[in-house]
Amino acid sequence: DTGVSQDPRHKITKRGQNVTFRCDPISEHNRLYWYRQTLGQGPEFLTYFQNEAQLEKSRLLSDRFSAERPKGSFSTLEIQRTEQGDSAMYLCASSGLAHNEQFFGPGTRLTVL
Amino acid sequence: AQKITQTQPGMFVQEKEAVTLDCTYDTSDPSYGLFWYKQPSSGEMIFLIYQGSYDQQNATEGRYSLNFQKARKSANLVISASQLGDSAMYFCAMLTGNQFYFGTGTSLTVIP
Repeated sequence: DTGVSQDPRHKITKRGQNVTFRCDPISEHNRLYWYRQTLGQGPEFLTYFQNEAQLEKSRLLSDRFSAERPKGSFSTLEIQRTEQGDSAMYLCASSGLAHNEQFFGPGTRLTVL
Repeated sequence: AQKITQTQPGMFVQEKEAVTLDCTYDTSDPSYGLFWYKQPSSGEMIFLIYQGSYDQQNATEGRYSLNFQKARKSANLVISASQLGDSAMYFCAMLTGNQFYFGTGTSLTVIP
């Protein structure tokens, strides 16, 4: 296992379309996080899973965003009816029992036209 | 409110010199963790160092050390003996509850 992987690495879509991103964490990590990062800003927390349970979701997150981690392994992040403001880098990170082990994936860059 | 503040948008340092990147935080929770990450131009986020709120000693990891001043709510990163490869964005972050909060980052440029 070489680390956290994300797919796709780049996604271009038209406004109004739905998109889904996948994150595969480090296999022994039970904690998984999704973030959004726009140019010149730090990552913005979106949601957190411990195993398959979604324990935290940012209040800033629109209802158009949903995330799942059905078997406590990989996770998906879906954005419905995309808007131009959704254009950003979407980062996934995973960690084990100690939060200081958090490792980030390479991200999925979304461009909404 | 939970908040991380990095007041230095950009910093320059001479190669082989030490540099301090500032970070202050705001939380009312007694239990929290403080992190520093490096983000090179390639985009990946690289974990550098961690400090727990109950840790008595400042964290160190190789050339990185975290100057933790709890009463002042500051968690500055010190990089010793700067190298050209240290040029990158540096983000301070806080974990409290189950949420991470990141600062806006400091862009560090190491001058040969």
